[in-house]
Order: sequence, then structure tokens, then C-alpha cells
Amino acid sequence: DAGVIQSPRHEVTEMGQEVTLRCKPISGHNSLFWYRQTMMRGLELLIYFNNNVPIDDSGMPEDRFSAKMPNASFSTLKIQPSEPRDSAVYFCASRLGGAGTGELFFGEGSRLTVL
Amino acid sequence: KQEVTQIPAALSVPEGENLVLNCSFTDSAIYNLQWFRQDPGKGLTSLLLIQSSQREQTSGRLNASLDKSSGRSTLYIAASQPGDSATYLCAVFVGGGKLQFGAGTQVVVTP
Repeated sequence: DAGVIQSPRHEVTEMGQEVTLRCKPISGHNSLFWYRQTMMRGLELLIYFNNNVPIDDSGMPEDRFSAKMPNASFSTLKIQPSEPRDSAVYFCASRLGGAGTGELFFGEGSRLTVL
Repeated sequence: KQEVTQIPAALSVPEGENLVLNCSFTDSAIYNLQWFRQDPGKGLTSLLLIQSSQREQTSGRLNASLDKSSGRSTLYIAASQPGDSATYLCAVFVGGGKLQFGAGTQVVVTP
């Protein structure tokens, strides 16, 4: 199994630019999560999907952030416009199961730097 | 709101010693608990998943216990090696499929 695949691994952009992060979950997994990790705040859940439907987006910091999951094998996290405070490592994770049964697997992350 | 605490924040042990990492949570109504390790600049690697009905889970040199009534889990790593140096995080699954993470314990195993 290839695991959770994220791209790009590193992104450096200028303030105001649009950023799109991509994720391919493990085949067969029906839940997908987007996390953000910073030194100050640790791991924060941004949004999670179950069966391609957004279930909870209360962690999305503001309207500049949006996430989609058009099918079971692909998800995007978009930031428009980006700001320096968005600099962080963004992780995608997936699991199989309902409310709390399956093991969670993480991708390697996308390190975003906004100048 | 569920709060997950890991103490100590950092730990240094000589090679060969057993590691004991602690995780506590405030609400015992959890579905399961998962331990991860994270190496610098890397993603989180799953170590062990303990279902709420289980008391412990073992994998090789790793053993994790779960005591829901007291809100505690402990990860034991036997005969530590320098390759065990990493940050270890615990996370509990709460309602709605969410995972609440602790801040992690940074472990250094010295040769």
C-alpha cells in the first residue's frame, strides 16, 4: 500500500497568492482529515470528511481556507489569499471506519512557507 | 471538552533503559486511543491503536495500556535504542470521528 500521498511536499509562495494542497488517501478508507501543525499550536484539526462529505469544518481558521473532496481518492485544501501566518505543515490523514474505530494514517505533510 | 496531556514534555535516557511515556485525558468517553511517533520533518507514524474495550496492545518492543476509568494510557518501550529518539504523541478518538492530540513527549536515547 502506498500510504497517504500528499503534494507538494514543500511550497514557498508570496503573500496574497493562492495555494492548493493535494491529498490521495489510502484506497478503501472512507474518512479523510486535514490537520495543520505549528510549533505554537501543535496539531490542529481543520476539517474532516466522511464518505466524501464534509462533516466538521469548525477548525477551518477563516473563509480564506476551503477544502473539497470530489471523490473517494482525492482531496484538496486551498488557501486564497495566503498570509504569512498560514505558514505551517499541513497533514492529510485517512482511516477506515465510523465514529471511532479505525487506525489513522498520516501523509508526510506539505510544508508551506508564505513570505 | 476533551483535553489530552502528556508529561513529561521531554525525556532523555541512556540506551538500553526502558521508556515509559504517559498520556492522560479528561473525558473517559472515548472510542479508542492511538499512539504515534514523529521524526523531525516527517509525518506521524502510527504505533499502536487501543480500542476502548481493550486494556493493552503490544507490538514488538512496544506495549501500550489503557485505563479509561482513570483517564490514562502508558506507552512502554523496552530496551530503548538511539533509533527510538523521536516525539511520541497520543491521541484519543472522541465523538464525531475527531481525534484529540496531546502535545507530545520528545524522547532522546543516548548511546
